[in-house]
Amino acid sequence: AQSVTQPDIHITVSEGASLELRCNYSYGATPYLFWYVQSPGQGLQLLLKYFSGDTLVQGIKGFEAEFKRSQSSFNLRKPSVHWSDAAEYFCAVGAREYGNKLVFGAGTILRVKS
Amino acid sequence: DAGITQSPRHKVTETGTPVTLRCHQTENHRYMYWYRQDPGHGLRLIHYSYGVKDTDKGEVSDGYSVSRSKTEDFLLTLESATSSQTSVYFCAISDPQGIGYEQYFGPGTRLTVT
Repeated sequence: AQSVTQPDIHITVSEGASLELRCNYSYGATPYLFWYVQSPGQGLQLLLKYFSGDTLVQGIKGFEAEFKRSQSSFNLRKPSVHWSDAAEYFCAVGAREYGNKLVFGAGTILRVKS
Repeated sequence: DAGITQSPRHKVTETGTPVTLRCHQTENHRYMYWYRQDPGHGLRLIHYSYGVKDTDKGEVSDGYSVSRSKTEDFLLTLESATSSQTSVYFCAISDPQGIGYEQYFGPGTRLTVT
């Protein structure tokens, strides 16, 4: 069965520091990969997506992610975190072979300290 | 932002009563989805629709039914609400084209079953 693991439930970083959120997946097919962000009381907003091609993808708000097939990973990065980045982040995986459905990780809550 | 609305946004109901949540989209997207979000579980797919009157079960479909009589509306019904169905419910839409797809989310409905 398909699965997505976000190993870190909570992460705290200082404002201005770099950030990396981890995502590992288990999928039998060529995956489509996504990162979403959710602010408290809000819906999910798409940060970035990977379908094919260049394995380093750029997203909104200064985020980027790198697809590493050999490690089954799609980690999210940002070089300098802002206080407004505090939110919950979800990694999601899909594949055309499994229909147009996504499997989500459990999420990572990011706290930013000033 | 994608044109997705959910109603009601908040609801408190008693155990054993039927509840219907509505998702409405103005994007004319073919696919619509219902998820529930619970702490530690991320988002889990309840049901989805790939066209008018075409629906299928997701990961956690027991106790839920759906209907889609128009492209723009997707209804989720809890036949007899239970306390375990207390959750935040999100609707999403997508329009798969080409090699990949992404989903866009509504603002959510917070349901409390007492």
